[in-house]
Amino acid sequence: DAGVIQSPRHEVTEMGQEVTLRCKPISGHDYLFWYRQTMMRGLELLIYFNNNVPIDDSGMPEDRFSAKMPNASFSTLKIQPSEPRDSAVYFCASSLQGRDSPLFGQGTRLTVV
Amino acid sequence: GEDVEQSLFLSVREGDSSVINCTYTDSSSTYLYWYKQEPGAGLQLLTYIFSNMDMKQDQRLTVLLNKKDKHLSLRIADTQTGDSAIYFCAEKDQAGTALIFGKGTTLSVSS
Repeated sequence: DAGVIQSPRHEVTEMGQEVTLRCKPISGHDYLFWYRQTMMRGLELLIYFNNNVPIDDSGMPEDRFSAKMPNASFSTLKIQPSEPRDSAVYFCASSLQGRDSPLFGQGTRLTVV
Repeated sequence: GEDVEQSLFLSVREGDSSVINCTYTDSSSTYLYWYKQEPGAGLQLLTYIFSNMDMKQDQRLTVLLNKKDKHLSLRIADTQTGDSAIYFCAEKDQAGTALIFGKGTTLSVSS
């Protein structure tokens, strides 16, 4: 398996634009997690899904953020409109049955100017 | 809620031992984890320890768990320049599903 695949690896966008981050989890994994990493706050859990259903979205910062998982092999994290303070590295991770330790993708570095 | 605390920086010389410390809050955590992040990369699982263990050794890595004090440490023996990275301590959330991470300890190894 190629591991968790995220795209794009880097994204630079202007304030106010819509940004969509994508994630393909490891085949067969039934949990998918989105994290955000910044210098100030470290790694924050944003949301996670089980069998494509959002389970806990309490970490989503505000209504500008939304996440979907239309099927077992694809998830998106959308920010609309984007703001400079959203600049961070966004990680996707997946695991099997939630008991195992999640495996992480390489991350998407988002810069909002 | 769950909270994980780590010191932010550690600097050692090549060949020395490194000890990275972590405190956590959720005493019901079944497993505790150490992840490593190299520059520009994602997180990779380094090792983990089951909560009923006091110690786990894996080659150059030794994990010590003091459940009474909710203290976890990672010792790297014979530290190499390739060990320079950010090390994250993590515990499971109350649902036992998602990982809650500390802010990470940046380990710098000088030759």
